[in-house]
Amino acid sequence: EPEVTQTPSHQVTQMGQEVILRCVPISNHLYFYWYRQILGQKVEFLVSFYNNEISEKSEIFDDQFSVERPDGSNFTLKIRSTKLEDSAMYFCASRHEGASYGYTFGSGTRLTVV
Amino acid sequence: AQKVTQVQTEISVVEKEDVTLDCVYETRDTTYYLFWYKQPPSGELVFLIRRNSFDEQNEISGRYSWNFQKSTSSFNFTITASQVVDSAVYFCALSQAGSARQLTFGSGTQLTVLP
Repeated sequence: EPEVTQTPSHQVTQMGQEVILRCVPISNHLYFYWYRQILGQKVEFLVSFYNNEISEKSEIFDDQFSVERPDGSNFTLKIRSTKLEDSAMYFCASRHEGASYGYTFGSGTRLTVV
Repeated sequence: AQKVTQVQTEISVVEKEDVTLDCVYETRDTTYYLFWYKQPPSGELVFLIRRNSFDEQNEISGRYSWNFQKSTSSFNFTITASQVVDSAVYFCALSQAGSARQLTFGSGTQLTVLP
């Protein structure tokens, strides 16, 4: 069964450093998402991406964040200057076009900012 | 604005008991989708079910069943004859029917099944 692949599974970074989280969505999917889950809390929407541009973003997704699909297969989330409160599990998801299609989530990247 | 409420923060049951996880949602849309996801201790999100707002038929899949009641805006999930491997956090989620259709998650219910 096709999978969404996220790398790395765990990243530790120092406060103020830039970090890039990587995702490879399912190849025929057209909608891509990033979600965040702070430890012990609910999963929160960050951003959706379609046709090479952001289609929706939440209040969490401020100027520190950016997304890119650099090469037609990878989908990346960049955090420019990490803060302690950015520590969370970050999930990538993708979805095929069409009302009957659901989301496929990756297994997540646990980001720890120290 | 959409909202999903899971009032049960934690539930503990003994193996083989039945357990129901409650989910209540709010949306102004007439067309929407409801989901349940399981998050085991390993952390990944495992898809369990998706229902659209026009399909109020209850669904059963093995030991799992879902009761969708539009009149009360509820989408409850029952595990019959629970097993220790069912121990996880369960999230209910809602999405609009539009093109981007991001998910709005509830706060989750931690289910612990004791042997």
